[in-house]
Amino acid sequence: AQKVTQAQTEISVVEKEDVTLDCVYETRDTTYYLFWYKQPPSGELVFLIRRNSFDEQNEISGRYSWNFQKSTSSFNFTITASQVVDSAVYFCALSAPYNTDKLIFGTGTRLQVFP
Amino acid sequence: DTEVTQTPKHLVMGMTNKKSLKCEQHMGHRAMYWYKQKAKKPPELMFVYSYEKLSINESVPSRFSPECPNSSLLNLHLHALQPEDSALYLCASSQVSGTGTFMDRGYTFGSGTRLTVV
Repeated sequence: AQKVTQAQTEISVVEKEDVTLDCVYETRDTTYYLFWYKQPPSGELVFLIRRNSFDEQNEISGRYSWNFQKSTSSFNFTITASQVVDSAVYFCALSAPYNTDKLIFGTGTRLQVFP
Repeated sequence: DTEVTQTPKHLVMGMTNKKSLKCEQHMGHRAMYWYKQKAKKPPELMFVYSYEKLSINESVPSRFSPECPNSSLLNLHLHALQPEDSALYLCASSQVSGTGTFMDRGYTFGSGTRLTVV
């Protein structure tokens, strides 16, 4: 069975703080994809990153960085120098496209960044 | 601007009404999806269309009826809904279905239709 766990329900930080959102996944598939999406109050799911199971390189995009560790089945997301505009719900998701078309979401982490 | 367009953005309907949600994409994606998202919950898959054919129905009640008239359009017909069906309905698309090949984004989501059943 596939499962994504985001243990942090809600995180509050003050602007300019660094924050890490945790994601742990379970899957029996050897080929799979991991995603992070941002959902602002407007409702749209904004794609942030896709990582396939064969690529364990960490990635940095501006203030965002991702740490993929297959050994611990984790795909954590760090925002450096957080800003108020980062306030949103962040979802980690798993897809095993060779097995299913489903995108399995974690329960989400609500991030509030205060000025 | 999102590349998946959903209309309407908001919809209020009575329990005896019939309405439809629409979704359109012009990215050449051949898989399209309907997700339902209740407040403070993650999106849950309802239906998957692959090459205009229904490939997954996640045991959704028959009061929800999907339709894929062509590769760019996806509809969700609503009839005799209940107040508990009030939610954000999200449409998504992806390049292919079931073969493991994705373009950069994998799944592209629309902004959703916020549905209220009264």
